[in-house]
Amino acid sequence: DARVTQTPRHKVTEMGQEVTMRCQPILGHNTVFWYRQTMMQGLELLAYFRNRAPLDDSGMPKDRFSAEMPDATLATLKIQPSEPRDSAVYFCASGLSPLNEQFFGPGTRLTVL
Amino acid sequence: GENVEQHPSTLSVQEGDSAVIKCTYSDSASNYFPWYKQELGKRPQLIIDIRSNVGEKKDQRIAVTLNKTAKHFSLHITETQPEDSAVYFCAGGDSGAGSYQLTFGKGTKLSVIP
Repeated sequence: DARVTQTPRHKVTEMGQEVTMRCQPILGHNTVFWYRQTMMQGLELLAYFRNRAPLDDSGMPKDRFSAEMPDATLATLKIQPSEPRDSAVYFCASGLSPLNEQFFGPGTRLTVL
Repeated sequence: GENVEQHPSTLSVQEGDSAVIKCTYSDSASNYFPWYKQELGKRPQLIIDIRSNVGEKKDQRIAVTLNKTAKHFSLHITETQPEDSAVYFCAGGDSGAGSYQLTFGKGTKLSVIP
């Protein structure tokens, strides 16, 4: 039963620190998405990739967030510097293009103090 | 871009009753409408989806209907059970024009009272 994996599952950090979240998509999936979930905003799309190429990152604060796919088995989301308002659950999802089911990872719960 | 509105934000039903959650979308080009269920502390998981070439789709106690003219779609859960308690998200997307993204509604917290 293939699943998307994410690390770390929980992260508590101080304001100003760098945070890196990692995602391993399901093997064979060619689209990868990063979402942020908060009570107020729900599920927000931050960025997504197709065949490792970034297609859209308009949902990300560009000055502090960056997303990359160094290879087909790893996607990263980096926040530098982190701020308390970045506290949220960050989900990675993968799927097959064009639009089909997105398989979500377990999420990274980020707390920035 | 697409905008998806979801109602209600919370819904309580008695076990065995039906639950209906409604969503509207703004982009007439959207042609894929999935529904995700998220249990407390867990990841969202797809429960059913519908494409714009059909008006209704059923899977056991779950059904989704789509009205393209009115740009709305609904999730129907019959004979609700306590394990149906979760947050449900609708979403919409356009598989054409090179876009692969989904726009999600804000979610509906369904509580099934035993």
